[in-house]
Parts: sequence; structure tokens; C-alpha cells
Amino acid sequence: DAGITQSPRYKITETGRQVTLMCHQTWSHSYMFWYRQDLGHGLRLIYYSAAADITDKGEVPDGYVVSRSKTENFPLTLESATRSQTSVYFCASKGGDIKTQYFGPGTRLLVL
Amino acid sequence: TQLLEQSPQFLSIQEGENLTVYCNSSSVFSSLQWYRQEPGEGPVLLVTVVTGGEVKKLKRLTFQFGDARKDSSLHITAAQPGDTGLYLCASDSWGKLQFGAGTQVVVTP
Repeated sequence: DAGITQSPRYKITETGRQVTLMCHQTWSHSYMFWYRQDLGHGLRLIYYSAAADITDKGEVPDGYVVSRSKTENFPLTLESATRSQTSVYFCASKGGDIKTQYFGPGTRLLVL
Repeated sequence: TQLLEQSPQFLSIQEGENLTVYCNSSSVFSSLQWYRQEPGEGPVLLVTVVTGGEVKKLKRLTFQFGDARKDSSLHITAAQPGDTGLYLCASDSWGKLQFGAGTQVVVTP
């Protein structure tokens, strides 16, 4: 399917476990982003990537790891999940010369 | 980091009424975007404003950018239940977005 997809859509895990959230886009957009959305905070940028093998921290990167070996994929890993990482996670992408970001449908993560 | 304040946090109105939501910052926006997010989905871009004093219309939605580029408003005329959603403003800084906390709008029939 064309567009931007995220998997899984829902995930329940336990404190201390490693979790990887997947993001895939079919537009060959150079930029990709990971946000978390919590009540009262809007969306906050975790990490972003300007191209394959280029990543950088956003506003709230602690506890997260990203990689981007292929242009179309941008996985987000929680190395040791904590309850404070319970949130809705959104992936987004955009072309290099445009301002519009296209968002995926989100992953709801619950850390027990 | 630019702090964006949105008001009100929540707005509940009847179908056919008008509403306005606001987005303010203490510093100048290079550009400002408005998104709408429906339950269970990601945000979708409605409009980008760039020039101070700019007014853009999207059907029943009117977006204004303040002359000093520190504030913006979204006005919906004759709201419909399909306008229900979370309205987010975001400033663009070198390709990265900084979001406000959003205004939850509920339009009841």
C-alpha cells in the first residue's frame, strides 16, 4: 500500500523489555521523524533522520534508539521500556524541499 | 525551543455555531502550520502560513497569521460534526516541527 504505515498499531509490554516500533514509507521521502503524543503536551519530537544513515536527536530522545539503513524504513527502539514511555507514537515523513509532513496512523504503547 | 500556547484547550459547540481557536508564541514564527487530528489517526496538514497578516481560507475554515508573526487563529464558520477533532498548530524550524498542545473541538448535531 502506498503511504506511510506503522506497526504494530497496539503494543503492551512490561517494564525493562526491549520494544521496536516500525515505520515504513513508500514515497522515498528523505526526511523521517518520530514523535510521541501525550495529553497536555501535543506531539514532541524524539528523533529525526534527513537521509539513510543520518539521524539526530529531537526534543525527548532519552531512552530511545533509532536507525535508518534504508530510506523507506525508520524503526524506533525502546531499549528498556519504562512506564513513562507509555504513549502514542507517530512516525512522519517529508520530501526534502517541502514543508508538509505526512503522518502514520500511530502506535499505542502501554508499558506495565 | 519555541513555546506554542493554544487556547482554549477544549471547545464544545452546537452544529451551525462559529468558533475560533488561537495559537500564540513569545517569539516570531518563521512559518506556522495548522493540523487536524481525528481519533485513532495521525495529524493531517490543513494549511501553512508564512507571511505576516496573511489570511487563508479552506472552505469554512479561515486561518490568520498575525502581523508580527507571533500569533495565529483558526476560525470555523457554521461548524459541522465533521469538524470534530484535535486542532494543532506547529512552527517549522529547519524542517523540524514544534507543536502546541492542541485544542479539542467537539461539534454536536
